[in-house]
Amino acid sequence: DAGITQSPRHKVTETGTPVTLRCHQTENHRYMYWYRQDPGHGLRLIHYSYGVKDTDKGEVSDGYSVSRSKTEDFLLTLESATSSQTSVYFCAISNNPSYEQYFGPGTRLTVT
Amino acid sequence: DAKTTQPPSMDCAEGRAANLPCNHSTISGNEYVYWYRQIHSQGPQYIIHGLKNNETNEMASLIITEDRKSSTLILPHATLRDTAVYYCIGRSNAGNNRKLIWGLGTSLAVNP
Repeated sequence: DAGITQSPRHKVTETGTPVTLRCHQTENHRYMYWYRQDPGHGLRLIHYSYGVKDTDKGEVSDGYSVSRSKTEDFLLTLESATSSQTSVYFCAISNNPSYEQYFGPGTRLTVT
Repeated sequence: DAKTTQPPSMDCAEGRAANLPCNHSTISGNEYVYWYRQIHSQGPQYIIHGLKNNETNEMASLIITEDRKSSTLILPHATLRDTAVYYCIGRSNAGNNRKLIWGLGTSLAVNP
């Protein structure tokens, strides 16, 4: 399995608080992605990164920001969490945008 | 990216072959068909992909019709651990395509 970890694995937070999720890889893959998964929806791309300090928006980026200061870490920040951001968040990596992606174990976030 | 259509659920007896269909009638000439699966509460796992030739790896076989409008993922000897949601995804390997369009997949139940 690809070396991808996500932290925390579970988090409960209150509406209005900032939250940061971390994705860490040991594969030296250039591309990293953040997805969210909700019942009744397929995985939806939030943001992705194509290199250190290079990021771009996905299809559901409102309310989220990301940062990538080094190859191995990709951070997802909810500046002011809302209940609609309760979800399971997956990080993925790939060596090339056209190649298969490898996913982390997920973070279950609950915003109360 | 091609829209894909899959049955919402299927059953299979343990030890038998599981054949999971996918329709992708709008697929274009340079779009690959990718298959992933997601075992309950885990991150999605890459299985296999193909363009027009049949493909086989240690996990599964992929049969793509000659007109490329549909494909079948075959798990030759399904086990209980193959119970998962299986996603068929069309994507282009041309250019800088970064987005996988995830549907709801097929929930496969392997029964003892």
